[in-house]
Amino acid sequence: GEDVEQSLFLSVREGDSSVINCTYTDSSSTYLYWYKQEPGAGLQLLTYIFSNMDMKQDQRLTVLLNKKDKHLSLRIADTQTGDSAIYFCAVNQNNNDMRFGAGTRLTVKP
Amino acid sequence: KAGVTQTPRYLIKTRGQQVTLSCSPISGHRSVSWYQQTPGQGLQFLFEYFSETQRNKGNFPGRFSGRQFSNSRSEMNVSTLELGDSALYLCASKSLTTEAFFGQGTRLTVV
Repeated sequence: GEDVEQSLFLSVREGDSSVINCTYTDSSSTYLYWYKQEPGAGLQLLTYIFSNMDMKQDQRLTVLLNKKDKHLSLRIADTQTGDSAIYFCAVNQNNNDMRFGAGTRLTVKP
Repeated sequence: KAGVTQTPRYLIKTRGQQVTLSCSPISGHRSVSWYQQTPGQGLQFLFEYFSETQRNKGNFPGRFSGRQFSNSRSEMNVSTLELGDSALYLCASKSLTTEAFFGQGTRLTVV
């Protein structure tokens, strides 16, 4: 199976919270990342979390990590239309390679 | 510090042709990875090069190949193009201690 899995689509209404989920297989991952891709652009690092943390908050973004279940999530509070983009989960492997999920396309409806 | 540069940005080819895409990584980065992104499949890993050697390879046919030069610049080649090869091809560079940095991508359209 895939190293990193995430669903391909998520649709929310403006003002609601968005939660994008990701599961991974490599328990030795030390850094876990969320990237954002806006239309016509490459991927840009949004936030990251160390594997010894459970949660990281940065303004409207909250990253939760459940190491036991190998589950990573990104919560966007008060989602705006400008948050519409593709969000990628990525983990580093024990040999420092990075593995990316396929990406979740977030659509924010007004 | 210059970012990851991919050329060309856009390309149109016909079925059966071959294409070469280029990626110049961030200075000092020795790892270059290539990805194919399509609406239906999302982001899929093609291969990674490190110090001129292919270190990892995804599940793509042999028509997809790549190489890396001594200055870490990388090229990927797709031979005998098919309509399904139309996609955004992204390149990412990485050092040992940093996250991956992506280029803007090359959008390939096969007609």
